[in-house]
Amino acid sequence: KQEVTQIPAALSVPEGENLVLNCSFTDSAIYNLQWFRQDPGKGLTSLLLIQSSQREQTSGRLNASLDKSSGRSTLYIAASQPGDSATYLCAYNYGGSQGNLIFGKGTKLSVKP
Amino acid sequence: DAGVIQSPRHEVTEMGQEVTLRCKPISGHDYLFWYRQTMMRGLELLIYFNNNVPIDDSGMPEDRFSAKMPNASFSTLKIQPSEPRDSAVYFCASSSWDNTGELFFGEGSRLTVL
Repeated sequence: KQEVTQIPAALSVPEGENLVLNCSFTDSAIYNLQWFRQDPGKGLTSLLLIQSSQREQTSGRLNASLDKSSGRSTLYIAASQPGDSATYLCAYNYGGSQGNLIFGKGTKLSVKP
Repeated sequence: DAGVIQSPRHEVTEMGQEVTLRCKPISGHDYLFWYRQTMMRGLELLIYFNNNVPIDDSGMPEDRFSAKMPNASFSTLKIQPSEPRDSAVYFCASSSWDNTGELFFGEGSRLTVL
């Protein structure tokens, strides 16, 4: 059964800290892996997408890595800010089809000023 | 582009009533997805369409749920009759095969069935 696990479920850090969010998945035959951000009462916003052939992607203070052999992805947030507070979800697409996206339950991040 | 547009944003109804949720995908996107999000189960894929054709509806929980996509710019998710356990946030999302599969979500429709 395809499954995505995100640890920790919640994380609270002081402003300015660098942090890592973890995602593990059960399937090595992935098409792509995406990290999303969800603010309370809102939809999901795509942050980074890593194709199967790639090992990492960067956007501003965010860096996502992918290790298919170990079934893991990490989202690194540098110099965290209170505005980064949100739930971060990881999802992978398996089977080479766009529709087969499996989501984790997310890590709720709180960055304290 | 305005992004994925969903309506209504909030719906409160009584058990047994019919509920229709609507979605307008991003223009040019050829994939459309319906997800349901609850605290207990997280995000679950209900059904997805490619070029207006349903591809996988294995996530649709029961026959009470149905989805249609009559054209490239409109889709509906219908629940008839609704039950309290259907209470959740329903998201519509779209993507394009040309865009590496990046998924764009609407703001969601929060459904409460009393």
